Amino acid sequence: NAGVTQTPKFQVLKTGQSMTLQCAQDMNHNSMYWYRQDPGMGLRLIYYSASEGTTDKGEVPNGYNVSRLNKREFSLRLESAAPSQTSVYFCASSRRDRVNYGYTFGSGTRLTVV
Amino acid sequence: ILNVEQSPQSLHVQEGDSTNFTCSFPSSNFYALHWYRWETAKSPEALFVMTLNGDEKKKGRISATLNTKEGYSYLYIKGSQPEDSATYLCASKNAGGTSYGKLTFGQGTILTVHP
Repeated sequence: NAGVTQTPKFQVLKTGQSMTLQCAQDMNHNSMYWYRQDPGMGLRLIYYSASEGTTDKGEVPNGYNVSRLNKREFSLRLESAAPSQTSVYFCASSRRDRVNYGYTFGSGTRLTVV
Repeated sequence: ILNVEQSPQSLHVQEGDSTNFTCSFPSSNFYALHWYRWETAKSPEALFVMTLNGDEKKKGRISATLNTKEGYSYLYIKGSQPEDSATYLCASKNAGGTSYGKLTFGQGTILTVHP
């Protein structure tokens, strides 16, 4: 029972490099989310996907793109990494966007951009 | 963007003490209020999801209340134990408009329980 799996767990990038953070869930959840966590800022929503085939911007989408590849997978891409994107990234999923179930979070990806 | 505020930012208590924290959120277009427990080096885990004014939820020694009219929720821990040490996050979800369905998180309350 894996829940939400994120890869990689750690990554160091040079400014200007690109990378994709992978997220997969095996709970048949419809909705998936990407958050970033910075000291003193709490969790901030980058992008979310209410259901397969749809994506929408969150609070801090600049510099990121997402792909909802299928119901299970939701990836986050940094096209040209910047030091301001140094953060811990969390993927989460929920059963349905309109029903009040708690989110299930992945274990996080710690990204450093130098 | 919803503003979800939590207080205090951090709290130190002795084992056996009871404690509580506050989460305030905009009451207009309220849909749901979530509480999460986040231990160091782990990912947040859902504690409660509440939707109705006056809702009370309980899980072991932890309980929560909700006032949607005035926009606040309390989380209570009775007889704190060292294993309760964690960051407690609340998050609000509103209904309608472009922010429908998205959770907005507060900054969290860091609880440390000393043996």
